[in-house]
Amino acid sequence: QSVLTQPPSVSATPGQEVTISCSGSSSNIGNNYVSWYQQFPGTAPKLLIYDNNKRPSGIPDRFSGSKSGASATLGITGLQTGDEADYYCGTWDSSLSAGMFGGGTKLTVL
Amino acid sequence: EVQLLESGGGWVQAGGSLRLSCAASGFTFSNYAMNWVRQARGKGLEWVSSMSASGDSTHYAESVKGRVTISRDNSNNTLYLQMNSLRAQDTAIYYCARPLNMIHMAGNFDYWGQGTLVTVSS
Repeated sequence: QSVLTQPPSVSATPGQEVTISCSGSSSNIGNNYVSWYQQFPGTAPKLLIYDNNKRPSGIPDRFSGSKSGASATLGITGLQTGDEADYYCGTWDSSLSAGMFGGGTKLTVL
Repeated sequence: EVQLLESGGGWVQAGGSLRLSCAASGFTFSNYAMNWVRQARGKGLEWVSSMSASGDSTHYAESVKGRVTISRDNSNNTLYLQMNSLRAQDTAIYYCARPLNMIHMAGNFDYWGQGTLVTVSS
């Protein structure tokens, strides 16, 4: 069971907006940067958001990240069928001196 | 172009050992910490281990501590993961991953390899 808690699944229709939450504690999200990853079946994860809310080059601004206290949120606007994938949050835990990921959220675009 | 190419995966009996390698190219390997992340079939991502750029600092997940050793050869741009006393629960695709910034030990992984499959038979 992951230390970072994500909803197992979320769904929405094309064009809508969806948010995915990631809940942790003061030792991880509360005091460290959060990153978000998108993963399609059979492929390696892809960095979507780093340092809580920054987008790497090439990531559209439909993807956004935020953090408040010990929780983080990934937002996706203008949903497309091509956004159907698994999404993971990640961070460092200062108490454990270990990296960690959320359990992942499967996004379905109906 | 940054490339990470893992190798060394395969089938092994429980209690056995494997050494994974990750050949890096397209960036100054010795400037970046490097990590191993694994994913069991149908499961989520699990961080395994990280090593600082110089190799003087390492961290391990509790699930592998004492059985796994991360190392690197900066002269050959290669990251390693020596895995001993393997268990069925270690069966997974193992990815090497590079943090986006040189100052980060882990997280913000902007480059990933294609992964190498480790299968541990009980």
